[in-house]
Amino acid sequence: ETGVTQTPRHLVMGMTNKKSLKCEQHLGHNAMYWYKQSAKKPLELMFVYNFKEQTENNSVPSRFSPECPNSSHLFLHLHTLQPEDSALYLCASSRAGAYEQYFGPGTRLTVT
Amino acid sequence: KNEVEQSPQNLTAQEGEFITINCSYSVGISALHWLQQHPGGGIVSLFMLSSGKKKHGRLIATINIQEKHSSLHITASHPRDSAVYICAVRLNNAGNMLTFGGGTRLMVKP
Repeated sequence: ETGVTQTPRHLVMGMTNKKSLKCEQHLGHNAMYWYKQSAKKPLELMFVYNFKEQTENNSVPSRFSPECPNSSHLFLHLHTLQPEDSALYLCASSRAGAYEQYFGPGTRLTVT
Repeated sequence: KNEVEQSPQNLTAQEGEFITINCSYSVGISALHWLQQHPGGGIVSLFMLSSGKKKHGRLIATINIQEKHSSLHITASHPRDSAVYICAVRLNNAGNMLTFGGGTRLMVKP
């Protein structure tokens, strides 16, 4: 399998649930990103990891908790979300530094 | 005001038409990206440029650093070009963080 994959592709969860989103890249990159895309809003950067270390947290609420166990995998752990957190969550990867980013297909999350 | 502004927000064209999408930004940047997002969400990187012009097939991207402006052109447009086109900039001293425009929704009719 090549490129950037994300699972699940769709997720519906209640406000009291705990779930995790998974991202995997097979491109040999060492930077990974989480983005949020809400309806009618620009893409928003959430987190950046370089060489497994978190280098950016764009003021994201603590109900979103990222984890990067190695350069190929990135998780986003979700707990006690709000309905306004419903969005498309996109993962991307790149070579560390100012390089082109490759995006996964996204997970469409609905919080009920 | 968003640091990255795109125009138009929505664009409908007939197959074969020449299309231009514009992106203006208000701060110093080290690079600008053009991305394509198809229905369903997947995003593909089209171009990354910091000066001049790049061409790939029917797509051309230009950037004018002094005027803080970039354009994406599509020649001989086709219905499969229908997508959302997103401009993103890498701010100076921002490492590998991108700031995104709101996107231009393009529909090409047969």
